[in-house]
Amino acid sequence: GESVGLHLPTLSVQEGDNSIINCAYSNSASDYFIWYKQESGKGPQFIIDIRSNMDKRQGQRVTVLLNKTVKHLSLQIAATQPGDSAVYFCAETLSRGYQKVTFGTGTKLQVIP
Amino acid sequence: EAGVAQSPRYKIIEKRQSVAFWCNPISGHATLYWYQQILGQGPKLLIQFQNNGVVDDSQLPKDRFSAERLKGVDSTLKIQPAKLEDSAVYLCASSLNRARDTEAFFGQGTRLTVV
Repeated sequence: GESVGLHLPTLSVQEGDNSIINCAYSNSASDYFIWYKQESGKGPQFIIDIRSNMDKRQGQRVTVLLNKTVKHLSLQIAATQPGDSAVYFCAETLSRGYQKVTFGTGTKLQVIP
Repeated sequence: EAGVAQSPRYKIIEKRQSVAFWCNPISGHATLYWYQQILGQGPKLLIQFQNNGVVDDSQLPKDRFSAERLKGVDSTLKIQPAKLEDSAVYLCASSLNRARDTEAFFGQGTRLTVV
C-alpha cells in the first residue's frame, strides 16, 4: 500500500521501550495542539490534545508536553507496542473548535519486535 | 457507529480532466472538513463547512477546486481541470460541533493520481 511515511524522519524503538516524538510548531498564537496517528492507507486518528495554558496532559499510555517558550511539543508513548507503528503528526490551531488546523511534517515510528 | 465514508478509494485521471470526490460524514456531525495530503506531508485544510455554510476556504485553489454541502450532510469536492500537482490523498473529516470542542474523525481518503 501507499507509504504515508515516505521521506519522513523515522524513530526506531524497541518494543516495550518508551518513545518520544518531538514537534516544533510555528504560530505563537496557536491555542490548541493535537497529536494524530496515521497508519498506512488510513486517515489520521486523534490521540490527545492540549491547550496552551497547560504544559502537560496525560492519556492512556500517552503524555503530551508543551513548551511555549521554545514552541515545542512532544508526545511520549509508554511501553511502545507493535501496533504503535505509524506516522505521528502534531497539529496546531487557533481554537479548540479545530478551525484551520495546521499539521506538522510528521514522524514515522517504527517499533522493533 | 459508522465512520466517515469516502468514495472512490482510488482514482487515476489524465491532466486537464475533471474529478469529483464524495464524503458522507458521521451522522449528526455538523462540521465537515476536506484536506489534501501530498505524499510525505501532513494534511492541509482545503475547506471547512459548518452545516451547509463555508467557515474557511482560504486555502482552496478556487480557480480549479470547488466543494459543496448542499443539505448539510454529504459533501462533494471537485477538481476541474486537474493538474499533475493535484496528485494526493483527499481526506474528509467531520466533527460534532465546532463550538463544542470535539475531535475530528477522518475517513480513509481518496487517492488521486493525475498522469
